[in-house]
Amino acid sequence: EAGVAQSPRYKIIEKRQSVAFWCNPISGHATLYWYQQILGQGPKLLIQFQNNGVVDDSQLPKDRFSAERLKGVDSTLKIQPAKLEDSAVYLCASSLRTGQSKGPYEQYFGPGTRLTVT
Amino acid sequence: AQSVTQLDSHVSVSEGTPVLLRCNYSSSYSPSLFWYVQHPNKGLQLLLKYTSAATLVKGINGFEAEFKKSETSFHLTKPSAHMSDAAEYFCVLLSGGYNKLIFGAGTRLAVHP
Repeated sequence: EAGVAQSPRYKIIEKRQSVAFWCNPISGHATLYWYQQILGQGPKLLIQFQNNGVVDDSQLPKDRFSAERLKGVDSTLKIQPAKLEDSAVYLCASSLRTGQSKGPYEQYFGPGTRLTVT
Repeated sequence: AQSVTQLDSHVSVSEGTPVLLRCNYSSSYSPSLFWYVQHPNKGLQLLLKYTSAATLVKGINGFEAEFKKSETSFHLTKPSAHMSDAAEYFCVLLSGGYNKLIFGAGTRLAVHP
């Protein structure tokens, strides 16, 4: 089966510019996650969607970051305006669903988008 | 508070020797724990998972991990390292009821000929 797709793979922008990342999850996966991985650290969850509703966005810097998942499939993560500290790899993951009644459900990760802000 | 601590940021071994990557966790609940591997320019891949069944968990590529509640540890081992094992390894704790993952800082494994 096809994995999680992300684009672009690399992006270089100047501070105060805006940028958008795209993610296409595995077909049939209801839950989609965006993570930020700063160099030398483990990934940190930014936002989690269940279908097209937000389950958790407690660690999303809402003054500059936004995300949407229209129609419960593809998702876009946007940063506007970017700061130097936003330089990181942005990972998208998906799982069949969330909750633990029959889980946990394995999360499958995409290859990530490496963002460099200069 | 729930957290994961990977005790070594870098581990270096010779090919054919054992691998030990150490992980301690803190959790108010009975934990579910995972090890993920990340090769350069590739996505994270699940190695193995512990979900309150057998305490010794076997994963892919000859890796295994042992859950020790008394020590709050979940160390990853492999009897004989291969060059292809060189990668970043993450110990991960499942948090709450919404499949939220808490990652450790990672351990970079280097394998020398």
